Amino acid sequence: EVQLVESGGGLVQPGGSLRLSCAASGFTFSNYWMHWVRQAPGKGLVWVSRINGDGSATHYADSVKGRLTISRDNTQNTLYLQVNSLRAEDTAVYYCARVLVGGTRDMDVWGQGTTVTVSS
Amino acid sequence: DIQMTQSPSSLSASVGDRVTITCRASQTITSYLNWYQQKPGKAPKLLISTASSVQGGVPSRFSGSGSGTDFTLTISSLQPEDFATYYCQQSYSPPWTFGQGTKVEI
Repeated sequence: EVQLVESGGGLVQPGGSLRLSCAASGFTFSNYWMHWVRQAPGKGLVWVSRINGDGSATHYADSVKGRLTISRDNTQNTLYLQVNSLRAEDTAVYYCARVLVGGTRDMDVWGQGTTVTVSS
Repeated sequence: DIQMTQSPSSLSASVGDRVTITCRASQTITSYLNWYQQKPGKAPKLLISTASSVQGGVPSRFSGSGSGTDFTLTISSLQPEDFATYYCQQSYSPPWTFGQGTKVEI
């Protein structure tokens, strides 16, 4: 079964850091770009970042550049998002999603999400 | 960045109604436009890719059209399970961007 499972969310104080993980199974992980998308409470979906199949190319939304780092370990079939200098506005559910390299550029499989709450 | 504007932001409809949601891009995105459905507390689900390609397992009452800057998602006969929020998303160039969502309510 094709599956993405996020973990690592939690309650963190402003200025703190977290590393989110997304474990992939049931498909050839390195054949896919991997993306992070977040959703603040009661708000819409916001694209955050993406990384290519071998980890050599990354892109970030302007709003998070410099504070977030996306990475992947293809030996462990795991995607990561390091989030530093957390702010209240980073409070959100963080989803990972896959996009086939050379495909139709759609996010066809999503994880269930992990919740990050930034509060003192 | 490419801005995606959906309309309406919300709509009320009845079972059996035909529903149309529009999405406009701030510049041409050719056909790199995807539609997602999201129900409360759940992850988004891909419905339509490249403007008009309905995903496997998605009911045939869902259809998409458009190219360039203007796109449409149509539900031909609304069913109870279709009450949800719908998002368009461009994958023409990074940063990929979503519309603000359209909530379809009873």
